Amino acid sequence: AQSVTQLGSHVSVSEGALVLLRCNYSSSVPPYLFWYVQYPNQGLQLLLKYTTGATLVKGINGFEAEFKKSETSFHLTKPSAHMSDAAEYFCAVSKDPNSGNEKLTFGTGTRLTIIP
Amino acid sequence: DTEVTQTPKHLVMGMTNKKSLKCEQHMGHRAMYWYKQKAKKPPELMFVYSYEKLSINESVPSRFSPECPNSSLLNLHLHALQPEDSALYLCASSRTITGGTGELFFGEGSRLTVL
Repeated sequence: AQSVTQLGSHVSVSEGALVLLRCNYSSSVPPYLFWYVQYPNQGLQLLLKYTTGATLVKGINGFEAEFKKSETSFHLTKPSAHMSDAAEYFCAVSKDPNSGNEKLTFGTGTRLTIIP
Repeated sequence: DTEVTQTPKHLVMGMTNKKSLKCEQHMGHRAMYWYKQKAKKPPELMFVYSYEKLSINESVPSRFSPECPNSSLLNLHLHALQPEDSALYLCASSRTITGGTGELFFGEGSRLTVL
């Protein structure tokens, strides 16, 4: 079975500081990995995804993530935090990538708070 | 603006009521999903429809009854719910259920309160 672990249920950073949200995955096959963001009282929005190819992927709103197979990690970063980045962030892995099955397994989420 | 539209945004119902949640997408996606999300928790998959046929039921109680009238619409019929069913119900769609990349498009959700 595939799973993801998000280290830190809450992360606080100052406005303008580096954002680093951690995600580690467990998978017996090459995974498809995703970061979704959820703003208060809204649905989830895809930030970025890794399927194959380049291991550094860029997403919306200045976020990027690097797939590191040796570390089984897919950490999310942004060089400079903005107040509008305050939200819940979910890392997810595709449950059956060999068939392209769209069953996602979500991590428990990390709430990002931006300090003015 | 989300391309997956859910109605109503808020719903309060008693345990003996019958109500429905509705979801619509016009992106030509052929897979549609219902997720349940409790406060401060990740979304949990309930149902998946592929080409208007139920493909996955994650052992959801029968008081939740999904329906996919056509490729653009997805309903969730609710009957005899319990207070613990109170949650945010999220609809999502994807291009297909197989051969895709796992990207889901979510609606903003319907927040359900069962009294």
